[in-house]
Amino acid sequence: DAGVTQSPTHLIKTRGQHVTLRCSPISGHKSVSWYQQVLGQGPQFIFQYYEKEERGRGNFPDRFSARQFPNYSSELNVNALLLGDSALYLCASSSSPTGNTEAFFGQGTRLTVV
Amino acid sequence: AQTVTQSQPEMSVQEAETVTLSCTYDTSESDYYLFWYKQPPSRQMILVIRQEAYKQQNATENRFSVNFQKAAKSFSLKISDSQLGDAAMYFCAEKQGAQKLVFGQGTRLTINP
Repeated sequence: DAGVTQSPTHLIKTRGQHVTLRCSPISGHKSVSWYQQVLGQGPQFIFQYYEKEERGRGNFPDRFSARQFPNYSSELNVNALLLGDSALYLCASSSSPTGNTEAFFGQGTRLTVV
Repeated sequence: AQTVTQSQPEMSVQEAETVTLSCTYDTSESDYYLFWYKQPPSRQMILVIRQEAYKQQNATENRFSVNFQKAAKSFSLKISDSQLGDAAMYFCAEKQGAQKLVFGQGTRLTINP
């Protein structure tokens, strides 16, 4: 079975531009979460979606938005990019968002803002 | 607010020896879950071991085990018989119910041959 797939793997954008990152969860998984990992730090929670509804939002500005599609894939959108948005963006999927259900991570999208 | 602290930015160990990575957390909840994730240079986070807070018995997965001290809010990871493939960043994380994972800053583990 395919794991969590993210695209693109690397991306370079200019300040002020918009970016869309994509995530396909493991087949059968209905929960998708997004994390931002700045170099040298642990991942920070951005969004969680379950059954196409937003279930949680981290402390990120409104420039960050996301959605989940009927096939449970997800997009993370970031508007008006800042240099500080440069990071590894990780997507995680799980069968449900509850308890100790294992979250499976993709290999991430490395975003560089110049 | 949930916080997870890993006080060891870097650790090293000789191959075949045992190493312990430290983690403390701060939560007011009684129902929560703790995890250790491994992140190799490939960047993909891989679950190493998990512990339910309501279970007193320490979790074990082959060469990996935890020392869960609930009163002290401590959750350390012990790796026995260290192998070269264990070299990676290790992150401790806490989760409350359906909420987000809160990660620590990570510990870089080096295995010396």
